Order: sequence, then structure tokens, then C-alpha cells
Amino acid sequence: GQQLNQSPQSMFIQEGEDVSMNCTSSSIFNTWLWYKQEPGEGPVLLIALYKAGELTSNGRLTAQFGITRKDSFLNISASIPSDVGIYFCAGASGGGADGLTFGKGTHLIIQP
Amino acid sequence: KAGVTQTPRYLIKTRGQQVTLSCSPISGHRSVSWYQQTPGQGLQFLFEYFSETQRNKGNFPGRFSGRQFSNSRSEMNVSTLELGDSALYLCASSLRAGGYEAFFGQGTRLTVV
Repeated sequence: GQQLNQSPQSMFIQEGEDVSMNCTSSSIFNTWLWYKQEPGEGPVLLIALYKAGELTSNGRLTAQFGITRKDSFLNISASIPSDVGIYFCAGASGGGADGLTFGKGTHLIIQP
Repeated sequence: KAGVTQTPRYLIKTRGQQVTLSCSPISGHRSVSWYQQTPGQGLQFLFEYFSETQRNKGNFPGRFSGRQFSNSRSEMNVSTLELGDSALYLCASSLRAGGYEAFFGQGTRLTVV
């Protein structure tokens, strides 16, 4: 089946720093989504990307759909304490036959 | 606009029992997908229902089944529970089929003892 490699697994940063994480796939995806999950909650959709090369922002978050359609990255600028959580990338292929394929997540920890 | 509602939030069952989980999607959303989340395997797709029909299914045994009602509410059933079924079960709703812009509920935490 399809697999997504998400890196890094965890990040320890200082408040105010910028963050970058990415996902790569062995297969082409038509949609890339980025989610954030906090303890005891379900994943919350942050950004959805639909076209190769697309760059989309949501406040301090920016995500891009790679030109090859096999990768995506998420940047967070000027991190704040409430950014703490696990960030997941997810991809869907044409028709969504396999639902969403998720990466293993990037655990973001912010040190004050 | 109300979000995705899953009930119950927590459940403890014994091996061999069966369990039914419920999901009410966002109003107007006709697609409901189910995912299993465990520390080891991460988030894995179980199945998707759209307009009361199972559209696709992930790589899970037949003990995992589901259905969708005419009001788009969905239920997921697991029979003959095993210890390894302990997980967070998440439901997601979408306007369109295929998992596009899926919005998740808080999940049901199932513990099998």
C-alpha cells in the first residue's frame, strides 16, 4: 500500500523559532492535507492542497504541494506555546479509493 | 455549525465481546470515514461510507464492519474483540467522497481487557 514518510519525528524548539516539516510519498497524490492533533482530541484540519505547486497559508502556517505530487511541506513561523501538538500530513489519491493515507506525525515541543 | 460527534468517548470491553461506535457527521456531509489510531501503526483507514453505501475498505479483518443511515449517521461494529483492537477510533466527515477535507470527531477510546 501507499506509505508516507514524515520527518522529523519530533522537534524541540524555542518559542519564536520557525518550524519546517515535510512528507514524502512513494506514490502520487492528488490532495495533500495537514492536520494537528492535541492530547485527547481528534485531528484538526489546518490546510488542504489540491494542485501541484500550490502554496497555501493559514495565519502563521504555510504549506506547499510538491511539483512531483509526491511531497509536501508545512512551515510554522514565529512559534508560540499553543503550537504544541502532533502534526500529521495526509494524502489522497484519485478517487480516494484508499481513504486518506497518514504520515506518522511530527511531535512539536516548544521550550519557553 | 456543529462538528463531528462521536459516542461514546470512552469504552472498556472484554476480549470476545463486540462493540458498536456511533458517529454523527457535520450537517450536509454525506461521506463518513473511520480510522483506527494506535501508537505503533498511527492512523489507518478502516472504511468509508457515502450515501449509505460502503465505498471502500482498508486492510482490516472482517470483524470490523460499519453502516450508514439515511441521515448520514454512521456506526462501526467490531466483533470478537481482541486485545490488539485497543485504540482510538476516529470518524471523519466530508462533503465529497474520497476523503477530501475530512473533518474529524474527538474519537472513541476503546480499551479491550
